[in-house]
Amino acid sequence: EPEVTQTPSHQVTQMGQEVILRCVPISNHLYFYWYRQILGQKVEFLVSFYNNEISEKSEIFDDQFSVERPDGSNFTLKIRSTKLEDSAMYFCASSADRGTNEKLFFGSGTQLSVL
Amino acid sequence: AQRVTQPEKLLSVFKGAPVELKCNYSYSGSPELFWYVQYSRQRLQLLLRHISRESIKGFTADLNKGETSFHLKKPFAQEEDSAMYYCALLTGANNLFFGTGTRLTVIP
Repeated sequence: EPEVTQTPSHQVTQMGQEVILRCVPISNHLYFYWYRQILGQKVEFLVSFYNNEISEKSEIFDDQFSVERPDGSNFTLKIRSTKLEDSAMYFCASSADRGTNEKLFFGSGTQLSVL
Repeated sequence: AQRVTQPEKLLSVFKGAPVELKCNYSYSGSPELFWYVQYSRQRLQLLLRHISRESIKGFTADLNKGETSFHLKKPFAQEEDSAMYYCALLTGANNLFFGTGTRLTVIP
């Protein structure tokens, strides 16, 4: 089965630093997502992306966050100036289409630790 | 606003015993519900969705709109069922809204 790939698996950074989390969605997928899970809490939606622009974003996705599909294969999440509370597992996901008939494929996640 | 409630953070059952993971939801629209599973050191993956009315790995879930529930059931638990289970609701914006999850442990 095809997989969504995320790198790195674990990222440690200092507060205030910029981080870029990388994802390679499944090649024929068109819809891309970022979710995060703070330790002990639920998985939360951050942003969805389609046709090179943001489709939806949650309240969590403030001006410190941005997403990009720089080269047609990678899908990145950038946090401009990290805060301690950004420490979480970040999941990338992709799907061929939207709606209930389409399965969301998740990556294995990047554990971000902000010190 | 939507809400997905999984009241049990932890659930332990013996192998061969029935298991039920509870999920209740609150949503003003027509609900589309899913169960996702995350096995140890693996990624989140779709287990089943209510519209398919399918049984995956012996698990079933029925959407009860009257009780606003989507409980996950299996008649005979297996050790390999031990995992984290998340109930999720598809919102009108076509994004998944997850519950807090239930960690199921099947005791041999």
